[in-house]
Amino acid sequence: QSVLTQPPSVSAAPGQKVTISCSGSSSNIGSNYVSWYQQLPGTAPKVLIHDNNKRPSGIPDRFSGSKSGTSATLGITGLQTGDEADYYCGTWDSSLSAGVFGGGTKLTVL
Amino acid sequence: EVQLLESGGGLVQPGGSLRLSCAASGFTFSNYAMNWVRQAPGKGLEWVSFISASGYSTYYADSVKGRFTISRDNSKSTLYLQMNSLRAEDTAVYYCAKDPYSGSYYVDHFDYWGLGTLVTVSS
Repeated sequence: QSVLTQPPSVSAAPGQKVTISCSGSSSNIGSNYVSWYQQLPGTAPKVLIHDNNKRPSGIPDRFSGSKSGTSATLGITGLQTGDEADYYCGTWDSSLSAGVFGGGTKLTVL
Repeated sequence: EVQLLESGGGLVQPGGSLRLSCAASGFTFSNYAMNWVRQAPGKGLEWVSFISASGYSTYYADSVKGRFTISRDNSKSTLYLQMNSLRAEDTAVYYCAKDPYSGSYYVDHFDYWGLGTLVTVSS
């Protein structure tokens, strides 16, 4: 069981918008920054969002992040077939003194 | 260009040991904390261990505490993971991942990842 909870899968049509939720607790999301990673099939993960809502250079503004209390959300607009991937949220858990990830969400672009 | 190249994976019997290495280039290795993250076949990401830039601070996931040891040689720009008492559930691709900030003392996020090395624990 993952410390952070994500939906196993989401789907939407090309051009549409999708959101992926990540739920935690006061010791992780509630008190630390959240990051989001995209893992395309057969590749290493890549950071999409860090510090809750900051995009590294090269990440298009179709990707956005937000945090409220003990939950965080990744938003993707203008969906493309190339966005089909697994998405993970991650943060630090101050009580566990450990890094933690969500279980991952598989995005299907129909 | 930042590059992280893991090596040392392979097939090992339950109870055996293995040492993974991660050769870093393209940045001043001694300034940044580093991590190991693993992914079992068909499963999600699992953070394994963190080491600060100096090597003074280390953290481990409960699943590997007491069995795995993270270390680094800043003179060689290399990160290590010594894995002892290996179990079938340790079978995974192991990634080394760089922390983005100089002076981090716990995980913030991972800005660069290696390609990973596969560890298979089986008799």
